[in-house]
Amino acid sequence: QVQLQESGPGLVKPSETLSLTCTVSGGTISGQYWNWIRRPPGKGLEWIGDVYDTGTTNYNPSLKSRVTISMDTSKSQFSLNLRSVTAADTAVYYCARAYRTTWSWYFDDWGQGTLVTVSS
Amino acid sequence: QSVLTQPPSVSGAPGQRVTISCTGSRSNIGAGYDVHWYQQLPGKAPELLIYENKNRPSGVPDRFSGSTSGTSASLAITGLQAEDEADYYCQSYDTSLSVIFGGGTKLTVL
Repeated sequence: QVQLQESGPGLVKPSETLSLTCTVSGGTISGQYWNWIRRPPGKGLEWIGDVYDTGTTNYNPSLKSRVTISMDTSKSQFSLNLRSVTAADTAVYYCARAYRTTWSWYFDDWGQGTLVTVSS
Repeated sequence: QSVLTQPPSVSGAPGQRVTISCTGSRSNIGAGYDVHWYQQLPGKAPELLIYENKNRPSGVPDRFSGSTSGTSASLAITGLQAEDEADYYCQSYDTSLSVIFGGGTKLTVL
């Protein structure tokens, strides 16, 4: 079991870019799939996307045009950039590790989450 | 609206059995993609409760069980306890190339 910790601004202005970093400790960041998931207030969970240590990424089609996820293996960190944010992007953002096979993709370790509010 | 449909709420008295349904379609559960369940206690991050339809991670009591049939899945909780009061989410994968979650079910222990 690894530990994950999100960090970044808690307040972002509309039309700007939301940037978060997740630091992984207690295990290797290499050879695993690292994800971002969010939960807007009063709503359910939404998967944002993932990154593998080769730099390969997968994104939720509904967010793909605005999202970039990247990884820095030397720092055991991966990051989320979400561009052109609106109030609808206000949510608790979680980073998580995923276990993936052809027919299975689930999240076995999660960060504690960080609230990001989009407001002027 | 979520691709996987869950009841918004369920409730039960201590000691009772409750089930939470998760209805999908031929492009996700019906296509053979596994279903996983998470428990989210108030103010906490989600935790994996059931993986690959029916398996429990180490430390999860056997009061929790999962099953699938066709395009649906179910989570059953027996011997309900006050500490089980939480939000529960099902999750799978869809051929639209996306991880998908249910809308979540709030369990109230009466």
